[in-house]
Formats: sequence, C-alpha cells, structure tokens
Amino acid sequence: LAKTTQPISMDSYEGQEVNITCSHNNIATNDYITWYQQFPSQGPRFIIQGYKTKVTNEVASLFIPADRKSSTLSLPRVSLSDTAVYYCLVASGGATNKLIFGTGTLLAVQP
Amino acid sequence: KAGVTQTPRYLIKTRGQQVTLSCSPISGHRSVSWYQQTPGQGLQFLFEYFSETQRNKGNFPGRFSGRQFSNSRSEMNVSTLELGDSALYLCASSSLAGDTYEQYFGPGTRLTVT
Repeated sequence: LAKTTQPISMDSYEGQEVNITCSHNNIATNDYITWYQQFPSQGPRFIIQGYKTKVTNEVASLFIPADRKSSTLSLPRVSLSDTAVYYCLVASGGATNKLIFGTGTLLAVQP
Repeated sequence: KAGVTQTPRYLIKTRGQQVTLSCSPISGHRSVSWYQQTPGQGLQFLFEYFSETQRNKGNFPGRFSGRQFSNSRSEMNVSTLELGDSALYLCASSSLAGDTYEQYFGPGTRLTVT
C-alpha cells in the first residue's frame, strides 16, 4: 500500500477554511484516497473518499490533481469541534479492507 | 441503525494473563477489522475477517489472534500479555469485502497491562 506524508500539525481559527495536503507519490492505479477524522479516545470516522478530480460532501471537499500523487482535504469554516487528528490513507479496492494509517495531522482550531 | 459496539470499554490486566475483546459490527456488515492504537506506533492493522475467514493479517506476533462467528461478531484474543500491549483496540466493520469507501469504527477497548 502507498505510504502517505502529511503535516504533523496545523493551527487555525474558527470560521477559516483549512486545507490539509497529503503526499502519496507511489499511489497505484487502483488505489483510492480516503480521509478519516479521529477525536481523542474515539475510533476514526470516515470523512471523504475520492479517486480523481474533486469530491464534495456535506462536511468536506477533496481535491486530487491529475497525477494523483497528492491530495488536499478542504474543511470550510472550521469550528472548535473540528479539532481532531486527520488521517490521509490510500487503499486499494478488492479483496481487503486493510487500512494503513500514517501519523495523521493534528488540527487545532482556536477561537 | 446501531453502530459498532465493543466490549468491554476498559480493561486492566496483569502481565502474563490473557484477554478477549469483543466486537459487534453494524447489522448486515460481514467484514470486521481490528486495529491497535498506541501513542508510539499510532494505528496499526491487526487482522480482518470476512464471513468467518481471516483475509488479512498485520505484522503482530502469534499471541494476537481472532475469530469471527456466523453472526459476524468478532473476538480478538491476546495471550501472555506484555506491558507493551497496553493500547486502544479498535474494530471496524464494513458491508462488503474490499469496501474501502467507509469503514465504521467502534469506540474501542482501552486495555491497560500492569
């Protein structure tokens, strides 16, 4: 599975848009890019997944350039409750649900 | 519908003992995966079960084992506990084999080994 690299931490203020970039240079053709959010002492929660271009749902957008070697999670107008660790993963479809988590990005939102 | 449930939520054991953790997936989900989370190593994949068969296994010693029942409930067992086994153990369920779109994680079992 492709290895991902993302910033260890980021700071933001309430109401700002936050963009977290993830690098996955060795992504394979059948890999999807998935983002999870985790609060302390809770299990990770799926945020968004995409293969190419742009995906948007009610909580975030995911931008993937044509070469797919990186991706950017965009969180619009963050609030204090968005303070969490955000994990970028690449995972292949097929006969496995194995997820490889990296170190994640600790997003700290301040008032 | 109800989410993934894990029991117990907290557990304290002594070195050398064994422990069994339980996971009930979301109704209808047939895939259950287990993960270990520690401050030093982060989230690491333990194993995955689908329709009572282990499909994938992470890089953990044989002291870590698991199984899945016909109702998709899963258990993991750790024998001869070591201090380093203290961790948050998470299970995740999904509906399809290889469904990487969404895995639903439970709240975890916090295991402390003394």
